[in-house]
Amino acid sequence: AQTVTQSQPEMSVQEAETVTLSCTYDTSESDYYLFWYKQPPSRQMILVIRQEAYKQQNATENRFSVNFQKAAKSFSLKISDSQLGDAAMYFCAPGNQFYFGTGTSLTVIP
Amino acid sequence: DAGITQSPRYKITETGRQVTLMCHQTWSHSYMFWYRQDLGHGLRLIYYSAAADITDKGEVPDGYVVSRSKTENFPLTLESATRSQTSVYFCASRPDRARYGYTFGSGTRLTVV
Repeated sequence: AQTVTQSQPEMSVQEAETVTLSCTYDTSESDYYLFWYKQPPSRQMILVIRQEAYKQQNATENRFSVNFQKAAKSFSLKISDSQLGDAAMYFCAPGNQFYFGTGTSLTVIP
Repeated sequence: DAGITQSPRYKITETGRQVTLMCHQTWSHSYMFWYRQDLGHGLRLIYYSAAADITDKGEVPDGYVVSRSKTENFPLTLESATRSQTSVYFCASRPDRARYGYTFGSGTRLTVV
């Protein structure tokens, strides 16, 4: 199986602060997509952000951005101005592999 | 817009019984997947299908059977349920092009007693 590693099982952040969730992966392909998914307590899986590996520019969606280091096979998620609604499990996934990381549980402290 | 529907949402069954979890998608996505979610293990791939009548094993296929006679349906059967199969099961689909990511169902919480 391909390897997707999320080394932080749990993270916490103060409301309005910034937090970064890490993800590393392994692939032999050069052109692929990477995804971050959010799973709130409702259990629904929600796509947060997508990165195209052949693009140098890091993807941004409102308060969510990525730090994509292709050579290092690293794909971290930065959440700025954290809100209570950001509390959830977060999963990263290289789109060409069908595998997900083990997830990071994010707590937002009021 | 249902997208992808899983049923049932909750299921309790006894050890040794056969149980089938249903998954139906309305997107005509080529790929469909079954994952199980357990604390500390994240989402683990059970089986996937690239098209009707094409299925392949994932990381944890033992004890499970799938079929895909129609593009829109991808049922997962536990042939003889065991307590270790107590989990939350997610069905997902994806177009042929990976750029669109996965669409997930709402999940089935299965308890084997």
